[in-house]
Amino acid sequence: GAGVSQSPRYKVAKRGQDVALRCDPISGHVSLFWYQQALGQGPEFLTYFQNEAQLDKSGLPSDRFFAERPEGSVSTLKIQRTQQEDSAVYLCASSLQGSSYNEQFFGPGTRLTVL
Amino acid sequence: DAKTTQPPSMDCAEGRAANLPCNHSTISGNEYVYWYRQIHSQGPQYIIHGLKNNETNEMASLIITEDRKSSTLILPHATLRDTAVYYCIVVTSGTYKYIFGTGTRLKVLA
Repeated sequence: GAGVSQSPRYKVAKRGQDVALRCDPISGHVSLFWYQQALGQGPEFLTYFQNEAQLDKSGLPSDRFFAERPEGSVSTLKIQRTQQEDSAVYLCASSLQGSSYNEQFFGPGTRLTVL
Repeated sequence: DAKTTQPPSMDCAEGRAANLPCNHSTISGNEYVYWYRQIHSQGPQYIIHGLKNNETNEMASLIITEDRKSSTLILPHATLRDTAVYYCIVVTSGTYKYIFGTGTRLKVLA
């Protein structure tokens, strides 16, 4: 079956531009996660949704980062006024439920480069 | 901060067993050990997890010491396609948050 998909796979933005990154989770997965992965580092948690509710946004690095999942399926991560330090791979993951009993399935990521 | 410590890199000959260690000396009784791997330009992929008993699946075996302070992921017959970064993660039971470290970069050599 289809896994988690993300689009675009690559995005180049000029500093100050807004970007929107899309995640299509596995059908039926209740939980959705966003991670940020800098070069040479492990992924870092950004935010967590259970259905349409954003239950944890403790990892969002600034108020320029905003995520939504309005219908409990597709999610969008928006970054406003991008800065060079936002350059990273943004990973989306989904799971049946948001607990340690369910593995997280990751998408391929979107590589964002801010010039 | 990650609750685990892993060697930054390891090499393994193709066809041999790859043994990847992980130290989690501060693990609590309700925390699981999870292993994921990340092949270049892909998202992390689940491998296996365990609480206190050793576990085996079609991909790997997980050996957890009796005191639970360390574990070893074993890939019994490594292939070139197993070249990846391997992450050991400690996850509290019933929670969702993964805290990744920097992992072990395993290179399988022909």
